[in-house]
Amino acid sequence: DGGITQSPKYLFRKEGQNVTLSCEQNLNHDAMYWYRQDPGQGLRLIYYSQIVNDFQKGDIAEGYSVSREKKESFPLTVTSAQKNPTAFYLCASSIMGQGDNQPQHFGDGTRLSIL
Amino acid sequence: AQSVTQPDIHITVSEGASLELRCNYSYGATPYLFWYVQSPGQGLQLLLKYFSGDTLVQGIKGFEAEFKRSQSSFNLRKPSVHWSDAAEYFCAVGAGNTPLVFGKGTRLSVIA
Repeated sequence: DGGITQSPKYLFRKEGQNVTLSCEQNLNHDAMYWYRQDPGQGLRLIYYSQIVNDFQKGDIAEGYSVSREKKESFPLTVTSAQKNPTAFYLCASSIMGQGDNQPQHFGDGTRLSIL
Repeated sequence: AQSVTQPDIHITVSEGASLELRCNYSYGATPYLFWYVQSPGQGLQLLLKYFSGDTLVQGIKGFEAEFKRSQSSFNLRKPSVHWSDAAEYFCAVGAGNTPLVFGKGTRLSVIA
């Protein structure tokens, strides 16, 4: 079955360490997204990419970096510059319609905690 | 800029009772509107979407939503709630090929 796979499900970060969250999709979707979810805050957009080798900052990009070398993959790196990384991270993907806003499909998330 | 407001942070209903979750949006043109549901520790699942046409939209799991342009609302309804409906619900708005903007969510608790 097609879907979005996020790994790992749980991740722990030490002070000063960069960590990378994986997101892979086999839906042949053009666009991919990373969101951060904190209690009571809803989903906040970190980065998104609509084509390979291109990506855009979202509302809270500081302290994060991404790459999009392949259509299927959109890894997120949480750098040491992100001082409050503890959160639930969700990856999503969608078809790029012709002016239409298509539904986003979500992975099951990665929970990142500080050691 | 687009925005979404879900006025209710937490709602508790009895099993078998009807449900309405409120969603108000801000957008200049006709938006694309979505409702998602999230169980604890999981990703979001699409319940239903509105693009155009009939303003009453049917979704999965017995949910429906009505688009009211005059009120800038897209409220989610279910006639009879089941205990398994307990979850967090998110309304989202989109326009063109820009990323969706999500509300902060409404947590639904179901009591016997």
